[in-house]
Amino acid sequence: NAGVTQTPKFQVLKTGQSMTLQCAQDMNHNSMYWYRQDPGMGLRLIYYSASEGTTDKGEVPNGYNVSRLNKREFSLRLESAAPSQTSVYFCASSEGDKDVETQYFGPGTRLLVL
Amino acid sequence: ILNVEQSPQSLHVQEGDSTNFTCSFPSSNFYALHWYRWETAKSPEALFVMTLNGDEKKKGRISATLNTKEGYSYLYIKGSQPEDSATYLCASWGDEKLTFGTGTRLTIIP
Repeated sequence: NAGVTQTPKFQVLKTGQSMTLQCAQDMNHNSMYWYRQDPGMGLRLIYYSASEGTTDKGEVPNGYNVSRLNKREFSLRLESAAPSQTSVYFCASSEGDKDVETQYFGPGTRLLVL
Repeated sequence: ILNVEQSPQSLHVQEGDSTNFTCSFPSSNFYALHWYRWETAKSPEALFVMTLNGDEKKKGRISATLNTKEGYSYLYIKGSQPEDSATYLCASWGDEKLTFGTGTRLTIIP
């Protein structure tokens, strides 16, 4: 099992460019999440998908869109990148969306917006 | 948005010493408290999920306690080893999501 995989690992964008971060899990999990990690701040939830076919906003959704393509895949799209979106992005998945569910994280995508 | 705080922000401990650090969270409407271990250049890995007041969990030399009435959890590491060097994150469940603290960065000095 690969667990949670993310592509790309690293990306440089110019302001205004768009890109999609890909995430896939092979654990047959129902719930998937996108977080961003910035220095001095905890992991902040951008969007999540409690189950296939549903998506909801997290704490910091502005400037992002998501697609739960199927049970395995959950993508994060930046339509018009801004320097404030420079961050490390983590995808995670869990079996369900209950309080005791452990989340399993991918290796992260490091994004630099110039 | 829940307010989850961790202290200290960073910690240097001599190899062989024991250490502990704190996670505080809102005690009202408590559901669950998660601890994760995050090594540099890797992704966070789950250590414990705790739900009951007074609960204590243990994994090898690492243990955690939970006080839901006062809103804190302690993580203990006994006999620190260099491989314990990592950032330790706690997260509290509320509003249908996990809210993470900023972490305690632990460095073990050989």
